[in-house]
Amino acid sequence: EVQLLESGGGLVKPGGSLRLSCEGSGFTLSRYWMHWVRQVPGKGLIWVARVNTDGSSTTYADSVKGRFTISRDSAKNTMYLQMNSLRVDDTAIYFCASDRGTGWFDPWGQGTLVTVSS
Amino acid sequence: SYVLTQPPSVSVAPGQTARITCGGNNIGDKNVHWYRQRPGQAPVLVVYDDNDRPSGIPERFSGSNSGNTATLSITRVEAGDEADYYCQVWDVNGDHIFGSGTKVTV
Repeated sequence: EVQLLESGGGLVKPGGSLRLSCEGSGFTLSRYWMHWVRQVPGKGLIWVARVNTDGSSTTYADSVKGRFTISRDSAKNTMYLQMNSLRVDDTAIYFCASDRGTGWFDPWGQGTLVTVSS
Repeated sequence: SYVLTQPPSVSVAPGQTARITCGGNNIGDKNVHWYRQRPGQAPVLVVYDDNDRPSGIPERFSGSNSGNTATLSITRVEAGDEADYYCQVWDVNGDHIFGSGTKVTV
């Protein structure tokens, strides 16, 4: 079964850092562009960041530019989101999703909750 | 930045057709994708490139896109179709934009 499995979420204080991971199961991540999308519980979906197949190109939403870094490790079949200088408004469920370079996301992981609070 | 506008909610009787709109400036020039999200679950792609369906998505789901409005139609609506639905496009500046979401109540 094709699955994306996120991990690394948790509670962190404002200004702190967290690294999220997204591992492929039955799914070779290196063949796809990969994304992070977040969702405040009860609210809508917000695209966060994208990395291309070999990791040489990344793009970020303005709200996280300069604070978040997306990367990937093909050997570990895993993608990451390093989140620094976290703010209260970064609190959300973070989903990873794959993209064949066509702009649509399929499949998605189950999400991991990040809570930024003092 | 590019904005996609969806109605907050749509109510439909079982067996009828639900139509969910997604408005955007000249959205007809873009490829529109649609996702279904049930409570507590991850989004699932139901329509891509305006009107194509991934494997496993029933023919009851279809899309159209022209001018300033894209539409997701769900025919013969079932209780299991009750969910939030989001449209999405890939903007020219490289960002991916989601609509605000529509809650479909059956």
